[in-house]
Amino acid sequence: EADIYQTPRYLVIGTGKKITLECSQTMGHDKMYWYQQDPGMELHLIHYSYGVNSTEKGDLSSESTVSRIRTEHFPLTLESARPSHTSQYLCASSERGLAGVSSYNEQFFGPGTRLTVL
Amino acid sequence: KNQVEQSPQSLIILEGKNCTLQCNYTVSPFSNLRWYKQDTGRGPVSLTIMTFSENTKSNGRYTATLDADTKQSSLHITASQLSDSASYICVVKDRGSTLGRLYFGRGTQLTVWP
Repeated sequence: EADIYQTPRYLVIGTGKKITLECSQTMGHDKMYWYQQDPGMELHLIHYSYGVNSTEKGDLSSESTVSRIRTEHFPLTLESARPSHTSQYLCASSERGLAGVSSYNEQFFGPGTRLTVL
Repeated sequence: KNQVEQSPQSLIILEGKNCTLQCNYTVSPFSNLRWYKQDTGRGPVSLTIMTFSENTKSNGRYTATLDADTKQSSLHITASQLSDSASYICVVKDRGSTLGRLYFGRGTQLTVWP
C-alpha cells in the first residue's frame, strides 16, 4: 500500500461553495499529480508539479487551482463548485526521472475523493 | 495521436476460470507499459510494469505480455477469484518529456461470479 493520502474520501456540497481537496505523501517524491476520472472513463491529468513552488496545468482544462508549498502536500482548490465538477479526483506521486531515459518512475495513487456538487 | 485502447470493455467470468484482457496503443516514443487494478471507489494499484525489452512479466496470478513491434499488450489472469472483480487499466508512458506523460485506457471492467 502506497503512502499517499487523500481527504475527504467523499464530499457532497452545494453549488457556489469553495472546497479544498487534500493530498499528502510521505515518500519524499518530487512529482505530484491530480487526475479527474468519470465513471467508465480514462483518467485525465488536470494538474502536476515537479517540486516545491512548481505547478503546471495538465491535458484537461480545469477551473481548479493547486499549490505546492511543501514537498509532501499538494492541495487542489475549487473557488466556486458547480455540478459539472462532480467527479472522482485522484492524486498521485512519483520520483523525479531523467528526460529521454526509459525508466519506471512508477506513479503511486491515493484512494481518491468522490466529489458531488448539488 | 497518442492513444490507448482496451478490450473488452467489460467481462464476466466464473470463479476459477482464466481470462485475458487486451491493450493496443499508439504512444510514441514508448517508455513503458503498466497494468493497474482499480477497485471501485479506490485509486489504481500497479500490477506490472514492462519496458521495451521485456516481453512478459508475472505478478502472482497476473501475467502481462508486451509486443512492442505490434504495440499490443495483454493481461492474463489465471484461476480467477472474487477479489479480482475490478477495473483493469492499461497505461503507457512516453519517453519524450521530462514529465513522462502517461496515457490511460478506459479500462476493462471484470466481474467474477461465484
